[in-house]
Amino acid sequence: GAVVSQHPSRVICKSGTSVKIECRSLDFQATTMFWYRQFPKKSLMLMATSNEGSKATYEQGVEKDKFLINHASLTLSTLTVTSAHPEDSSFYICSAQPRGVFGQPQHFGDGTRLSIL
Amino acid sequence: SQKIEQNSEALNIQEGKTATLTCNYTNYSPAYLQWYRQDPGRGPVFLLLIRENEKEKRKERLKVTFDTTLKQSLFHITASQPADSATYLCALTPDSSYKLIFGSGTRLLVRP
Repeated sequence: GAVVSQHPSRVICKSGTSVKIECRSLDFQATTMFWYRQFPKKSLMLMATSNEGSKATYEQGVEKDKFLINHASLTLSTLTVTSAHPEDSSFYICSAQPRGVFGQPQHFGDGTRLSIL
Repeated sequence: SQKIEQNSEALNIQEGKTATLTCNYTNYSPAYLQWYRQDPGRGPVFLLLIRENEKEKRKERLKVTFDTTLKQSLFHITASQPADSATYLCALTPDSSYKLIFGSGTRLLVRP
């Protein structure tokens, strides 16, 4: 149980393109999902917290107009990298927090490798 | 400043030995701490969660300790196997929200 599906797994596109990444919890409901960015051989950096039915909360230094987050249902959050540039190339990972008791682990997707040419 | 630190150098051990990984934190008072495994090009996989009122937690060959006085968690893998080779991340919850702050991870290599 507790499977999170992230799609696509890899994207290569031209500079200036907007890219949408989907994160779905397949067998549980998640009122809260998280988006992380990871550089090679570095740890996960939390970008934003996505709450179902309300605006995302962004971490300091993350541009909300650049990284648009929508959490339209209890099983789906999307991250759109708008007008992507080479410096946006990275590994993006989402996670979902099962609804309910505080102190449960997050469940992670398998990441999206974004390469901007 | 707030920090969560793991040994950045890779840990290289012989199969069958016990691997011990360290996670130290500064200026946090986490309600609980978690350990994840990450393989190259994949998302993290949850291993163990330990709460602030627990000293130790075990699951099969894995053991985690949590010392809130030392502000440290130790993660042990006994009877290590080459398949245990991966990067291990510790993460804590800094406040009453659900968000996690991750350490930089320690890469473990188990030689056959």
